[in-house]
Amino acid sequence: QLQLQESGPGLVKPSETLSLTCTVSGGSISSSSYYWGWIRQPPGKGLEWIGSIYYSGSTYYNPSLKSRVTISLDTSKIQFSLKLSSVTAADTAVYYCARVRYLGHWFDPWGQGTLVTVSS
Amino acid sequence: NFMLTQPHSVSESPRKTVTISCTRSSGSIASNYVQWYQQRPGSSPTTVIYEDNQRPSGVPDRFSGSIDSSSNSASLTISGLKTEDEADYYCQSYDSSNVVFGGGTKLTVL
Repeated sequence: QLQLQESGPGLVKPSETLSLTCTVSGGSISSSSYYWGWIRQPPGKGLEWIGSIYYSGSTYYNPSLKSRVTISLDTSKIQFSLKLSSVTAADTAVYYCARVRYLGHWFDPWGQGTLVTVSS
Repeated sequence: NFMLTQPHSVSESPRKTVTISCTRSSGSIASNYVQWYQQRPGSSPTTVIYEDNQRPSGVPDRFSGSIDSSSNSASLTISGLKTEDEADYYCQSYDSSNVVFGGGTKLTVL
């Protein structure tokens, strides 16, 4: 059964870069049937798509975050990563990684999520 | 870019039926699949409907999805409500360059 696990610092200072990694177990990230995506959820608020990456390395980003986001893939480590630059308090959220079905574009399964707080 | 609009909250009694709507602001609702996710407090979202009306294995047939081109909206219907259905529900769709989630609907089963 495929499982995803987010990891990274829980506290980031304003203006710095948030970096998270999603480790995939129980499957490959090299399949043409899937993207791999990041989603976030500010405390008490709704879900926001950050971006997705295809096994080929092609990336797709939320237009509102595009200038600050980089998503990359490491097939040898079966991981994909998120970098969000110039963070502010508004970037405080639970960050989820998920597998994304290429056809239909639905997110399943999701990782357990990791809370990242932006504060000095 | 388009938006997906959901009611902020709905409530219904056990054993009743509830429908949650998701209206697309621009572009046809039928052009791209709609998914529905359930999120219980403190948990990650899980899929209850994918590709407009498909149920993943393990999701009871009390959950159903549909789209209505006339109102440009999708709907999630839950019949025979149980207290365990109390959760936040999010719709999600996409276009050629963007993925969009609805704002979420809090379902209370009183």
